[in-house]
Amino acid sequence: EVQLVESGGGLVQPGQSLRLSCTASGYTFGDYAVSWFRQAPGKGLEWVSFIRSKIYGGTTEYAASVKGRFTISKDESKNTAYLQMNSLKTEDTAVYYCTRVCGPGSGTCYNDYWGQGTLVTVSS
Amino acid sequence: DIQMTQSPSTLSASVGDRVTITCRASQSISSWLAWYQQKPGKAPKLLIYKASTLESGVPSRFSGSGSGTEFTLTISSLQPDDLATYHCQQYKTAPWTFGQGTKVEIK
Repeated sequence: EVQLVESGGGLVQPGQSLRLSCTASGYTFGDYAVSWFRQAPGKGLEWVSFIRSKIYGGTTEYAASVKGRFTISKDESKNTAYLQMNSLKTEDTAVYYCTRVCGPGSGTCYNDYWGQGTLVTVSS
Repeated sequence: DIQMTQSPSTLSASVGDRVTITCRASQSISSWLAWYQQKPGKAPKLLIYKASTLESGVPSRFSGSGSGTEFTLTISSLQPDDLATYHCQQYKTAPWTFGQGTKVEIK
């Protein structure tokens, strides 16, 4: 059974940093890309970041709203993806979900499995 | 960026009703559209991909159609378990974008 478990959320002040983790199980982690999404309280879903599998260079993509502040990475030896979030703003407050992308990241692909989410609150 | 617009924002229907949700893209996305179901307090769950392909394990009362810029999600006979918010997402081009969601309530 495919499972994704996020951790690392919490309450931080504006300008601070946080690193989210997403640990995967039930499939060959390295064969699939990973995306992070977020959902602000009472709002819709927003894509945040994406990382291709190593076979496609492990290259990354970012939403304009987080580019330059967030960094996605993954450690295939630990079956874990990360989202390093720096210079956090109050508008980054949201539940953050990691997802398995349906392929290695070579082309168009949907998100077939989602973690349960982890809440990040940015407030002074 | 490709804008996705869903309608209605909320709908209320009775058990057994046929329910239709519409999603429009600001430019052609071919069939690169997914539908997700999100129950209260839970993560989204994939229902349909490539506009009309039912994900494994999803009840057959759910169906999707459309291509280009106009898409629909249909629930043929609404069940109490279908209380949720439904999101469409285009995955043709980054940034991957969603509609604002349609909340389905049971009368």
